[in-house]
Amino acid sequence: AQSVTQLDSQVPVFEEAPVELRCNYSSSVSVYLFWYVQYPNQGLQLLLKYLSGSTLVESINGFEAEFNKSQTSFHLRKPSVHISDTAEYFCAVMAFSGGYNKLIFGAGTRLAVHP
Amino acid sequence: EPEVTQTPSHQVTQMGQEVILRCVPISNHLYFYWYRQILGQKVEFLVSFYNNEISEKSEIFDDQFSVERPDGSNFTLKIRSTKLEDSAMYFCASTPPSGNTIYFGEGSWLTVV
Repeated sequence: AQSVTQLDSQVPVFEEAPVELRCNYSSSVSVYLFWYVQYPNQGLQLLLKYLSGSTLVESINGFEAEFNKSQTSFHLRKPSVHISDTAEYFCAVMAFSGGYNKLIFGAGTRLAVHP
Repeated sequence: EPEVTQTPSHQVTQMGQEVILRCVPISNHLYFYWYRQILGQKVEFLVSFYNNEISEKSEIFDDQFSVERPDGSNFTLKIRSTKLEDSAMYFCASTPPSGNTIYFGEGSWLTVV
């Protein structure tokens, strides 16, 4: 079975500071990894994903995540955050199960960006 | 860009009443899902659906829950007799034939009073 651990439930940070949201997973099989973002009172939006190839993946709004197989991690980073990045961020793992795939989510990290 | 659409966005219902949440998955997608998020908690898998039948369901998805694809476009979640603890955001999702990314709708807030 797969599981996801997000080590920080809340991360407060000042605007323009760097941030790292940590995610570790466990799985006995190969996985795909995802970060979803949930802005206040909104649904889940795909932020970025790792399927294969380069271990560093980027989003269009400046976030990046690096897949580290040896450490079973997929930490999310941004060098300079904005107020508008305030949201809940969910790390998720998908194990390919021969025809269909389901996502297992972490508990989420609430990123609060302060002026 | 195509998206998963859900209705209603918010529903308040009395305990014991039946509720149907509706979803229109992205048109060429083959796998469909319902997830649930109780306020302040993690997103939990409820059920997956493929080729007009349930592929997998979680422990949460008990006999009070059912899913249906009544026509070529809609995918519904029915809760037969709602309980207070069913209050949550319910997300519908779908996956293209490649199966490697799941796209979520905006969610339906269900409040049971």
